[in-house]
Parts: sequence; C-alpha cells; structure tokens
Amino acid sequence: EVQLVESGGGSVQPGRSLRLSCAASGFTFDDYAMHWVRQAPGKGLEWVSGISSNTNNRGYADSVKGRFTISRDNAKNSLYLQMNSLRAEDMALYYCVKDIGSNMVATILDYWGQGTLVTVSS
Amino acid sequence: EIVMTQSPVTLSVSPGERATLSCRASQSVSSKLAWYQQKPGQAPRLLIYGASIRATGIPARFSGSGSGTEFTLTISILQSEDFAVYYCQQYNHWITFGQGTRLEIK
Repeated sequence: EVQLVESGGGSVQPGRSLRLSCAASGFTFDDYAMHWVRQAPGKGLEWVSGISSNTNNRGYADSVKGRFTISRDNAKNSLYLQMNSLRAEDMALYYCVKDIGSNMVATILDYWGQGTLVTVSS
Repeated sequence: EIVMTQSPVTLSVSPGERATLSCRASQSVSSKLAWYQQKPGQAPRLLIYGASIRATGIPARFSGSGSGTEFTLTISILQSEDFAVYYCQQYNHWITFGQGTRLEIK
C-alpha cells in the first residue's frame, strides 16, 4: 500500500524558514517523480513544485520560485521542501504527492498524503 | 500560465440523477487533463486522466470527455458518496488546477 506521510509543518513568522519532509513507502520511490501541492484554508489546489525521479528536472510555481527548493533522497525514500522567506500567502496545507510517471512530462498525481499545515503569522 | 475555469461553481443534483461538470482551458491542453475528487477533511483522489481514462478502482459511473480546451466530467447515477468538490488539472504545460466545482445534494 502506498503511503506518503508529511511532517515539518508548524507556525512561523513572516520571513522565516521551514523545511517539510515526506516519508514514502509501498512503492519503488526512485522510479517516480514527486510533487508538493498546497491548499489554503477553504480554497482550491495549487501545484507548488515537482522533481523528477533522478532529480534532473525540477519545477516551481511562479509564486514560490526563488524562495522554495525541492529535493529528494532516494536512499531514504524521502521528499523535501525547503521554504524560505515565508509570506502570509504561503499559509496552507501542503500535500506530498506521487506522480504516475518518472520525469514530469505528463504530471498525473495518483497518490496523495494527508498533508502538513503551515501557518505564517506574526 | 494556462488558466483552468470550472463551471458551475456549485451544482445541486439529487441522488440517482446525472451530474455534468465542465472545465475550460485558456489554451489547448490536448488530452492532458485530469479530474480529482476531494471530500471534506480528505486528500484529493485521482478519478480520470488523459481526459477520459478512469484511474484504478474508479467506478464506471464516472466518465470524462473532451480535448483541446473543453472538457466534461459526467457522473451517471449519483451516489451519496459522490457529493464532494471536483477539480480539473491540466498537465500539458506544467500543472494548473481549476478552482473546483462543489457537487451538493439537492
């Protein structure tokens, strides 16, 4: 059974940093691209970032480009999101999501974690 | 950025009836369109990809159609567990989601 368990969320002040982690199990992690998708309270879904299985290809939404960095450790079956210079508009539930493929050519999101909540407030 | 627009924002339908949800792309996405279902307090679930291919375990009452800029998700006979929010997502150029359609019980 595919499991994606996020951690690292919490409450931070604007301008500070936070690192999210996602522990994956139940599938061959290094065969698949992975993503972060967020959902602000009561709002819709927003793709944040993705990384290919071999880490050669990474992408970011314009809203986070230059502030967030996605990475993965295939030996540890883990996905990360380093979030710097956090803003109030970054406040959301952050989902770790598995891609149906390896290289983000066709990003279909077939398994989702339960999310970790990031609150940005002074 | 490709903008995805869903309509209606809210759809009220009785159980046992058919629901038709629409999604429009600001430019052609070919057939690179997926649909997700999200229930309160839960993560989204993949329903359809490639505009019309049902994901593993998705009941046959869910069907998708369309290509280019116009897409439709049809739920043929609504069950109580189908009342939820539905999102479309294009993956032709990076990834963008529609704003969602809330399917509620009439």
